[in-house]
Amino acid sequence: EAAVTQSPRSKVAVTGGKVTLSCHQTNNHDYMYWYRQDTGHGLRLIHYSYVADSTEKGDIPDGYKASRPSQENFSLILELASLSQTAVYFCASSEGQGNTEVFFGKGTRLTVV
Amino acid sequence: QQKVQQSPESLIVPEGAMTSLNCTFSDSASQYFAWYRQHSGKAPKALMSIFSNGEKEEGRFTIHLNKASLHFSLHIRDSQPSDSALYLCAVSQNSNNRIFFGDGTQLVVKP
Repeated sequence: EAAVTQSPRSKVAVTGGKVTLSCHQTNNHDYMYWYRQDTGHGLRLIHYSYVADSTEKGDIPDGYKASRPSQENFSLILELASLSQTAVYFCASSEGQGNTEVFFGKGTRLTVV
Repeated sequence: QQKVQQSPESLIVPEGAMTSLNCTFSDSASQYFAWYRQHSGKAPKALMSIFSNGEKEEGRFTIHLNKASLHFSLHIRDSQPSDSALYLCAVSQNSNNRIFFGDGTQLVVKP
C-alpha cells in the first residue's frame, strides 16, 4: 500500500514563529501536495510539486512556502506563523496530476497560540 | 477553474437506510470522478471512482455519473454506523490537470 508519512503529527507554535512540516513518501510518485483542512470542512490546496527542486502555488499559498529537495520529501514552511493558520495539514502524493488516486498522510494538527 | 460543489452539507440517517450524496462540477470535459471518505481524525481515503457515464457498484456503494447534467452521486445501501464520516467528491479534467475536491458532506448514521 502507498505510504505517505508526516511529521510531526501535532505541533503547538507561537505566533510569529517558524514552523516546518515534513512529508516523506515511498510510493515513487511524481506529484506531492500540501492541503489544509479546517474543522469539518474540505481540503484546500496550498502548494504542490511534480518534480524535485520545483514547487507550484495552489489555491491558498499566501503565508506558506514549500520545498521539494528530493522525489520522496516535501516540506511546508510557515515563516511567520499566525493564529489563522491553526488547522490540520495533509500531505499527499499521486502518480499523475489528474485521473488518478491521491494518497494522503495521517495529517499534522497545528495549533498556533 | 473547475468548481465542485457538494450537497447536502450534512446528513443524518437511521441505520439500514439508503443514503444519497451529491456532487456537481462545472467543466463538462472532466474525465475522472471519485469519492473519498474521511473518518473523524483520520486521513481521506479513496472509496471509488468512475470515468464514463453510467453507474458502478462496489458492495453497498454505487456511483452514478451523468456528464450531461454535470452531476454524480454516491449511494450507500443499508447504511451502517461505521459509514459515518466526511465524504469528499473529487473531479479532474484529464491526466494533465489537477484534481479538485468538494467541501464535503458530513454523514452520521444513527443506530
